Amino acid sequence: NAGVTQTPKFQVLKTGQSMTLQCAQDMNHNSMYWYRQDPGMGLRLIYYSASEGTTDKGEVPNGYNVSRLNKREFSLRLESAAPSQTSVYFCASSEQGVMSNQPQHFGDGTRLSIL
Amino acid sequence: DAKTTQPNSMESNEEEPVHLPCNHSTISGTDYIHWYRQLPSQGPEYVIHGLTSNVNNRMASLAIAEDRKSSTLILHRATLRDAAVYYCILRGFTSGTYKYIFGTGTRLKVLA
Repeated sequence: NAGVTQTPKFQVLKTGQSMTLQCAQDMNHNSMYWYRQDPGMGLRLIYYSASEGTTDKGEVPNGYNVSRLNKREFSLRLESAAPSQTSVYFCASSEQGVMSNQPQHFGDGTRLSIL
Repeated sequence: DAKTTQPNSMESNEEEPVHLPCNHSTISGTDYIHWYRQLPSQGPEYVIHGLTSNVNNRMASLAIAEDRKSSTLILHRATLRDAAVYYCILRGFTSGTYKYIFGTGTRLKVLA
């Protein structure tokens, strides 16, 4: 089983460029999440989608937009990339909504560098 | 906002028990305590979670203090494959907004 698939795995951008990170899950999960992880730190929640058709801000949403394209796919867009957005980005999904305590299943991350 | 505090690193000998502590003194009454671990170049992997009572599963045990201001993840027999960064996380809602707050994690080194 593929689980949570993120593309691309690596990307280098110049300041001001735009970029969409893709995430797809094949587990028929209802909720999906985007996190960023900076060196030596834990993950911080950027946006989440409790169910298809809904999105909400997390802890650090500034500079990002998201789209829940369908139940399987949840994309993260950087409209005008800044060096402060250099990070590893993780997508996750969970079977039930955020009101439950279902574990989250994570992808292997996208390593994004902005020069 | 509630947060978690963990030691930066710990060491254990193989096949011995490991106790990984986490302080969360500002936890609210409805926050759940989750634990994940992360291997190099991988996404986090769920380990266990609880609210008030101690919990056991096939991977680990979670001991939660009576006042809920701290918790301990217990690996009963550490193996080399358990070497990872372990994160203690508070899950809940603040002013109607979902929160999933990761700490900085404890890097566990397992010695053969």
